[in-house]
Amino acid sequence: QLQLQESGPGLVKPSETLSLICTVSGGAISSSSDSWGWIRQPPGKGLEWIGTINYSGSTFYNPSLKSRVTISVESSKSQFSLKLRSVTAADTAVYYCARRPGVFRSFDPWGQGTLVTVSS
Amino acid sequence: DIQMTQSPSSLSASVGDRVTITCRASQGISNFLAWFQQKPGKAPKSLIYGASSLESGVSSKFSGSGSGTDFTLTISNLQPEDFATYYCQQYNSYPLTFGGGTKVEIK
Repeated sequence: QLQLQESGPGLVKPSETLSLICTVSGGAISSSSDSWGWIRQPPGKGLEWIGTINYSGSTFYNPSLKSRVTISVESSKSQFSLKLRSVTAADTAVYYCARRPGVFRSFDPWGQGTLVTVSS
Repeated sequence: DIQMTQSPSSLSASVGDRVTITCRASQGISNFLAWFQQKPGKAPKSLIYGASSLESGVSSKFSGSGSGTDFTLTISNLQPEDFATYYCQQYNSYPLTFGGGTKVEIK
């Protein structure tokens, strides 16, 4: 059964870079039908899609974050990563990674999520 | 961007009730619509994709319908474990967007 697990610092200072890794287990990260995404949820609020990367390395980002976001894949480690630059308190959220199993499906499964707080 | 509007934002229901949540897209998205359930402190769980297809392992008490701009999620025979927040999401085009959520509470 495919499982995803986010990891990274829980506290980031304003203006610095938020870096998270999602480790995929129980399945291949290099499947041509799958893409991999990041979604976030500020405390007490709704879900916001951050971006997605597919098997060929093509990326799709939320325009509201595009200038600050990079998503990449390291297939040899079964990991994909998120970097969000120049963070502010507004970037405080639970960050989830998830698989998108094809264009006719949405995200399933999701990682358990990791809370990242931006504060000095 | 395609805006997704859910209604109601919250509702109170009793065990055994049948509830319906609606989701409207600001433009047509065919059937590229998913529904997620989220319980407090947990990750969202996919219930339905393609507007009406049930994810493997999900109870048939959940059903989805709609196409184009108007969609519904129906939960029959509401049980204590169904009290949660439900989100719709369109994946017809980027950027992918979610509805604001519907919190289903116990009456």
